[in-house]
Amino acid sequence: GAVVSQHPSWVICKSGTSVKIECRSLDFQATTMFWYRQFPKQSLMLMATSNEGSKATYEQGVEKDKFLINHASLTLSTLTVTSAHPEDSSFYICSARTASNQPQHFGDGTRLSIL
Amino acid sequence: AQRVTQPEKLLSVFKGAPVELKCNYSYSGSPELFWYVQYSRQRLQLLLRHISRESIKGFTADLNKGETSFHLKKPFAQEEDSAMYYCALNSGTYKYIFGTGTRLKVLA
Repeated sequence: GAVVSQHPSWVICKSGTSVKIECRSLDFQATTMFWYRQFPKQSLMLMATSNEGSKATYEQGVEKDKFLINHASLTLSTLTVTSAHPEDSSFYICSARTASNQPQHFGDGTRLSIL
Repeated sequence: AQRVTQPEKLLSVFKGAPVELKCNYSYSGSPELFWYVQYSRQRLQLLLRHISRESIKGFTADLNKGETSFHLKKPFAQEEDSAMYYCALNSGTYKYIFGTGTRLKVLA
């Protein structure tokens, strides 16, 4: 149980393109989903927290207009990297959990490469 | 300030040797701590949470509030234990604070 699916797993696109990443909880309802960014050989950095039906809460230094997050249902959250540039290239990971006292379950991550 | 420290970036041990991955935390309230593992090219997986007090894959971790530590231990390392290990603190505002991770290499 507690499977989180992330799609796509890898995307390569040209600079200026907007890219949407999906995060789905397959067998549970996730009241809260999290989006992380991970640079090579570094730890996960929390970008934002999204709660179903409300606006995402962004961490300090994360551009809201650059990284659009939508959590339209209890099983789906999306991260859209708008007008992506090479510096946005990274590994993006989502996680989800059912309640604040439950552990987070992670997706496989999406490797984003901007040319 | 809330913080999780994993002092070792890389830990190499021989197969069959004991392993201890260190994790120290800074938190003013009652901490909730986790260990996550990331095998090569796989997702992060929950390994342990301190409130469960269970042993997974031979690993154990005890919360020591006096030393503010939550070290991960295994008496006999196996090659398949080679992975990246992250200690995480539930900050109480539903966010995790992750340590920088320790890469464990178990040598044959």
